[in-house]
Amino acid sequence: AQKITQTQPGMFVQEKEAVTLDCTYDTSDQSYGLFWYKQPSSGEMIFLIYQGSYDEQNATEGRYSLNFQKARKSANLVISASQLGDSAMYFCAMREGVTGGSYIPTFGRGTSLIVHP
Amino acid sequence: ETGVTQTPRHLVMGMTNKKSLKCEQHLGHNAMYWYKQSAKKPLELMFVYSLEERVENNSVPSRFSPECPNSSHLFLHLHTLQPEDSALYLCASSHDSASNTGELFFGEGSRLTVL
Repeated sequence: AQKITQTQPGMFVQEKEAVTLDCTYDTSDQSYGLFWYKQPSSGEMIFLIYQGSYDEQNATEGRYSLNFQKARKSANLVISASQLGDSAMYFCAMREGVTGGSYIPTFGRGTSLIVHP
Repeated sequence: ETGVTQTPRHLVMGMTNKKSLKCEQHLGHNAMYWYKQSAKKPLELMFVYSLEERVENNSVPSRFSPECPNSSHLFLHLHTLQPEDSALYLCASSHDSASNTGELFFGEGSRLTVL
């Protein structure tokens, strides 16, 4: 079974509007972390935002916020006031327990976001 | 230099060649990773090194051979590759501790084409 599910292969949004990218996860761990990364066409994966499983408040970083619904096991990324430079692939990822002293993150398949002028 | 640096950025090789990908991190992290990103496939974890010891090897074919000589450097040695090995190879690092969020810092990737 997939641990991270991103059901939207592609999304389109008008510049200056908000957009929500969906992510659901599957884990039996009580302690875990959820991440969102952005990958522009240049290839580099850029860390955007983090949510810990014990964090009661939704994480926010500038125009990015994470809508964390623990009971539903969802961790949607909300981008407010979209900009043309937001066009990229977006990956949701989860870090669970420790294996051999290291956390092993799992990534979803990604969502391609295109921002229209 | 700062961050995670990967060289070369682009590599074209024949199936009988031997080449290496290099990754260097200047962040003081204690874990390094190799990921493979193919078109229309999820990101595949290949190798993880924590404190210079390999802790994860996701059944990667032996034609890929990692090397981690110290906590700042990671190599991926390539030999007798197949055309289906053509992909973007991403290196990442993180600082693994109970008090850290453990986010990964990625390099820009090495785009490999096997002819």
